[in-house]
Amino acid sequence: DTGVSQDPRHKITKRGQNVTFRCDPISEHNRLYWYRQTLGQGPEFLTYFQNEAQLEKSRLLSDRFSAERPKGSFSTLEIQRTEQGDSAMYLCASSPAPRADMGDTQYFGPGTRLTVL
Amino acid sequence: AQSVTQPDIHITVSEGASLELRCNYSYGATPYLFWYVQSPGQGLQLLLKYFSGDTLVQGIKGFEAEFKRSQSSFNLRKPSVHWSDAAEYFCAVAAGSGNTGKLIFGQGTTLQVKP
Repeated sequence: DTGVSQDPRHKITKRGQNVTFRCDPISEHNRLYWYRQTLGQGPEFLTYFQNEAQLEKSRLLSDRFSAERPKGSFSTLEIQRTEQGDSAMYLCASSPAPRADMGDTQYFGPGTRLTVL
Repeated sequence: AQSVTQPDIHITVSEGASLELRCNYSYGATPYLFWYVQSPGQGLQLLLKYFSGDTLVQGIKGFEAEFKRSQSSFNLRKPSVHWSDAAEYFCAVAAGSGNTGKLIFGQGTTLQVKP
């Protein structure tokens, strides 16, 4: 069973550059989540999709951030004009359709570590 | 607003000793609660979850957690810690509609295991 995969695992960029991350969810999981985690903190929710529809976006997701899931499979997260404050681990998670008896269990990928110089 | 508090930022235990990591939540309805573990530079691995029913839930790697509504707590326990348990542990509550959707995480507890 293949888990959630993320690419790249590490990204170093200069301030002002654009970066794009990719997430491939577990096959047949229809929900996909993005979180951001800074050092010493728990993950913070950014946005999530059910199939190709983006259902919720956090206020943390400024205009420089955009996420897509065009065919309801993989997703991309783009950050434009990166700032040093964007340095963090970006985590992706996926979950199957929620069930009344099991709720919505999210399975996480290994993350993409972004460093903005 | 929903929130999760992990009062202990760092805990050190000796190998073979018992472990309890504390988690308190703030949520209006019956919460769906989770514990995840994260090794350095890695993603999060699900240890266990509580949705309903038996308030004592069993997870992987010998962990268990007990949901106590009266105390708004969901503490994680293990009777005998192994050196490989050293990691960061996160408690989370599902905060979306119908207890689905986004997770709200605590700040995490770093577990160090002494030989």
